Amino acid sequence: DIQLTQSPSFLSASVGDRVTITCRASQDISRYLAWYQQKPGKAPKLLMYVASTLQSGVPSRFSGSGSGTEFTLTISSLQPEDFASYYCQQVNGNPTFGGGTKVEIK
Amino acid sequence: QVQLVESGGRLAQPGRSLRLSCAASGFTFNNYGMTWVRQAPGKGPEWVAAISHDGSHEYYADSVEGRFTISRDNSKSSLSLEMNGLRTEDTGVYYCARDGIEPWSTLYYFDSWGQGTLVTVSS
Repeated sequence: DIQLTQSPSFLSASVGDRVTITCRASQDISRYLAWYQQKPGKAPKLLMYVASTLQSGVPSRFSGSGSGTEFTLTISSLQPEDFASYYCQQVNGNPTFGGGTKVEIK
Repeated sequence: QVQLVESGGRLAQPGRSLRLSCAASGFTFNNYGMTWVRQAPGKGPEWVAAISHDGSHEYYADSVEGRFTISRDNSKSSLSLEMNGLRTEDTGVYYCARDGIEPWSTLYYFDSWGQGTLVTVSS
């Protein structure tokens, strides 16, 4: 299976900060990557697919980029409701998820 | 709006069986592939199994292949997961989710999720 490594695992930031999360794949997955947000006790929520396509209803402060083995999720100006865990997921074959990045309030 | 409601999770002993169900509403169920994703306590999500929109194709993670069976009843808008030979590592919250970016396709982008049902495997 394709392994996904996210960095950092934890991120402490303030409201208004620009935040970037990285996801590295163990092999080339083209642009077959999604990003999810998960809040405690809730199901994951799809933010982005095909690396950079914003899911309907997701604020435009979220953006995604990358291809091949390196991808990023950027939040341009962190809002209070964005404090959550974020997971990347590859869909080039059987899907796998990254280990997650928890974004905490500084 | 899309609604997915899981049920059937409970405490089970290792080696025993359990059947999870997911009731879908708010969309044309037979147009979309469906999937089960689980999440162990404090861990990231893990894809478990998927089924095509018409039930003709099933896909499984290596960790459950041969033990779990996914199925669907399009006449009842329902999805099931039959779990046999349970192991302690099967413990977690099980979510059903819709593969919803494109109808009739298996793309594995999960745009709608249920609230989850907890399966605990312990003696």
